[in-house]
Amino acid sequence: GDQVEQSPSALSLHEGTGSALRCNFTTTMRAVQWFRKNSRGSLINLFYLASGTKENGRLKSAFDSKERYSTLHIRDAQLEDSGTYFCAAEAGNMGYKLTFGTGTSLLVDP
Amino acid sequence: DPKIIQKPKYLVAVTGSEKILICEQYLGHNAMYWYRQSAKKPLEFMFSYSYQKLMDNQTASSRFQPQSSKKNHLDLQITALKPDDSATYFCASSQEGAGAETLYFGSGTRLTVL
Repeated sequence: GDQVEQSPSALSLHEGTGSALRCNFTTTMRAVQWFRKNSRGSLINLFYLASGTKENGRLKSAFDSKERYSTLHIRDAQLEDSGTYFCAAEAGNMGYKLTFGTGTSLLVDP
Repeated sequence: DPKIIQKPKYLVAVTGSEKILICEQYLGHNAMYWYRQSAKKPLEFMFSYSYQKLMDNQTASSRFQPQSSKKNHLDLQITALKPDDSATYFCASSQEGAGAETLYFGSGTRLTVL
């Protein structure tokens, strides 16, 4: 079946630094969503992309359907950015059926 | 305020029993879904409903039965519970369920079957 390979599985950043998370897809995906799981366990929507890039504050995401990957860049990381980040991809015409990555556990320390 | 409410947040059940997981959304969406996350596995799609009709079922077992009493409700009844059913169950919704839409998720119900 369709698979989403997310990396890294864990990431530690000092406050003020940045890094990138990546998801590779084993097949062509139509769109990708990025989520952050907050302290209450809720999945917070970060981005929905069908192509190109989107930016929101210190977060920027890119999606390349042809090359089968998506990235989430975090810059100037803050303590409150800590949490688990997931990508989820949408294949074909079944948009509701998202295939999730295994998540990246991000810890931002002072 | 959370727009997708799942109840209860935590649930402990004994093997063989039956439980109902509650989900209500206040986003005005017409499509609702259930996903499940077992230990050390990614979230997996279970069901989708659009306008209170079942659109897709990826769950092999008939022990899992969604119930939609109202457009903004999609409960999940699980019968004859097994320890392998232990997981966090996430409810989600989107505007129409036709694809190319953002899905919004609740905070999950964590089910433990002893």
